[in-house]
Amino acid sequence: GAVVSQHPSWVICKSGTSVKIECRSLDFQATTMFWYRQFPKQSLMLMATSNEGSKATYEQGVEKDKFLINHASLTLSTLTVTSAHPEDSSFYICSAREARDYGYTFGSGTRLTVV
Amino acid sequence: RKEVEQDPGPFNVPEGATVAFNCTYSNSASQSFFWYRQDCRKEPKLLMSVYSSGNEDGRFTAQLNRASQYISLLIRDSKLSDSATYLCVVNKYVGDKLVFGAGTILRVKS
Repeated sequence: GAVVSQHPSWVICKSGTSVKIECRSLDFQATTMFWYRQFPKQSLMLMATSNEGSKATYEQGVEKDKFLINHASLTLSTLTVTSAHPEDSSFYICSAREARDYGYTFGSGTRLTVV
Repeated sequence: RKEVEQDPGPFNVPEGATVAFNCTYSNSASQSFFWYRQDCRKEPKLLMSVYSSGNEDGRFTAQLNRASQYISLLIRDSKLSDSATYLCVVNKYVGDKLVFGAGTILRVKS
């Protein structure tokens, strides 16, 4: 079945640094990538939606200059958390969708801790 | 008001019990409905889609009431391995973003 490889699985970084999270679709073309964030005991909240070759569409309240999304190819999308702060500590997870298949394939998630 | 509301639980049940979860959604334009399962610190995994006529997959039965904007999940003969958080998920149309509830925690004990 469809697989999305997400890296890193976890990362600890210092406040003020930037962190890049990658999601790769291994056996299909991800025309759309959804990026979610989940705080402890809360639901997955959509941060942004990106279509290959286009600028990402951000949800209300999500700073596009802080959470940079790149979806330059059909198999790779990245989320960069710039100038990370402790409040950005969360579980970040991507979900890919192929144009011909309406299923959603999730990456395994990245647990970010900013100290 | 949250778009998708669930009782957070936890539901603590013995093995073999039958347990039911409920969910309500606020957007009447929602067209697709799902139950996902999420284990601790893992990604959510699709358990089953929910159809208007109701559907069953082994020990799991899902129901949808569009008039009441209500979705349910019934688990029969609970197993220890069913312990997880169950997420109610909706979207407005096929291929659209998924909107997640906060989840209901199930703990099955021996």
